Amino acid sequence: DTGVSQDPRHKITKRGQNVTFRCDPISEHNRLYWYRQTLGQGPEFLTYFQNEAQLEKSRLLSDRFSAERPKGSFSTLEIQRTEQGDSAMYLCASSLVSGEQAFFGQGTRLTVV
Amino acid sequence: GEDVEQSLFLSVREGDSSVINCTYTDSSSTYLYWYKQEPGAGLQLLTYIFSNMDMKQDQRLTVLLNKKDKHLSLRIADTQTGDSAIYFCAERDRDDKIIFGKGTRLHILP
Repeated sequence: DTGVSQDPRHKITKRGQNVTFRCDPISEHNRLYWYRQTLGQGPEFLTYFQNEAQLEKSRLLSDRFSAERPKGSFSTLEIQRTEQGDSAMYLCASSLVSGEQAFFGQGTRLTVV
Repeated sequence: GEDVEQSLFLSVREGDSSVINCTYTDSSSTYLYWYKQEPGAGLQLLTYIFSNMDMKQDQRLTVLLNKKDKHLSLRIADTQTGDSAIYFCAERDRDDKIIFGKGTRLHILP
C-alpha cells in the first residue's frame, strides 16, 4: 500500500477554465476527505465521503466546486470557471470509518493565472 | 461551528523542550491529532489521542489532553533542528469531520 495518492501534483490553469483533481485513498479506507490549504492557513474542510455517499459539503464552498466518489474508491474534485482565489493546495485524506488515524496525500497545488 | 485555536509562533532553543498548545470547542470530539508540515511537504500525522485518555507518550512526544478545559498540548523533548515545521492541531468531531487549527510555526534557535 503506497498511501494516499493525488494527481496531478501541480496544475496551472487560466482563469475561467475547469480543472479536475483525482485522489486515490488507502485501499479499504471508506472515509475520504477533501481540504483546501492556502499559505499560512490550516487545512479548510471542503467535503467528505463514506464509500460513494457524500456526507457533507462545506457551506462556505461555492457551487463551482463538485466532488464525486462513484465507486467508493477514488474521488475527483472539479472546479468550474476557476478564479484566482481558487489558487491553493488541495489535499485529500482517507481513514476507516471512525478509525483512529487519517492519512493525507501530498496534495495538488493549483495556480490560477 | 467547531473551532480549533492555537498560537501562531513558538521559538525554542535547540535541546530544550517545546510545548505547543491548542484549544477546541467541540466537547464531542472523538480523537485529537497533531500533524507536522515541513515547507513544501504534505501533512504528516505525528501522534493522536483518544478523547477518553489524558496522556499519551511516544518517544520524544508527549500529548496531554484536558477534556474539561478542551485543551490539548504537544511536548517535544530535546528539540532538534529537524523539528522546525508547522504543527497543526486537529479534532475529529461528532460527525467524523476533521477540523484543523491554523498551525503553530516552530522555530529552533541555535
